[in-house]
Amino acid sequence: TQLLEQSPQFLSIQEGENLTVYCNSSSVFSSLQWYRQEPGEGPVLLVTVVTGGEVKKLKRLTFQFGDARKDSSLHITAAQPGDTGLYLCAGDQTGANNLFFGTGTRLTVIP
Amino acid sequence: NAGVTQTPKFQVLKTGQSMTLQCAQDMNHEYMSWYRQDPGMGLRLIHYSVGAGITDQGEVPNGYNVSRSTTEDFPLRLLSAAPSQTSVYFCASSKSTGDNYGYTFGSGTRLTVV
Repeated sequence: TQLLEQSPQFLSIQEGENLTVYCNSSSVFSSLQWYRQEPGEGPVLLVTVVTGGEVKKLKRLTFQFGDARKDSSLHITAAQPGDTGLYLCAGDQTGANNLFFGTGTRLTVIP
Repeated sequence: NAGVTQTPKFQVLKTGQSMTLQCAQDMNHEYMSWYRQDPGMGLRLIHYSVGAGITDQGEVPNGYNVSRSTTEDFPLRLLSAAPSQTSVYFCASSKSTGDNYGYTFGSGTRLTVV
């Protein structure tokens, strides 16, 4: 059973376009993290959101945590080839000793 | 550079062989874990440790053993390799569990069992 579902699974866009990636669950999370993974490397933490409704911006990336703390989104403005990678969301539940990872969204930005 | 170091980077095993994947971190993190990553399956937790001397099973522990004798090291042992264990393995560490403690991942070990 996958606690976190990400959509879309694959996304191929032209440089300069905007995009949104979604991370959804029927479970409540105390916090949610987003990672980016490049080929041959481990995931790298981008951001952690902890408050329902919270919005965080990291340059051209905007992260939002749903009011009910069950979902999150990642919006990229004016995508660049350097944004290419696998984007993973991961949720933390109170009392759990590990993160639950989504299946990922593989983004390709074409120059 | 500070971080999580995994060795080896690549490994090919024959069915039935055993081996140990090494993981070391120099950030004095209490929490360490092992994941495997397979296409379409995401990252699945194998084993984890909340401190030296303490380990526990994750989602897919069968066929793997771990130990945590020091804060720095968390090796993963494959007892008798099977083709189903062909995967990319990641070690991760964190200051603690809970809110705001992001994971630092190693660069992975790509294991092929033939």
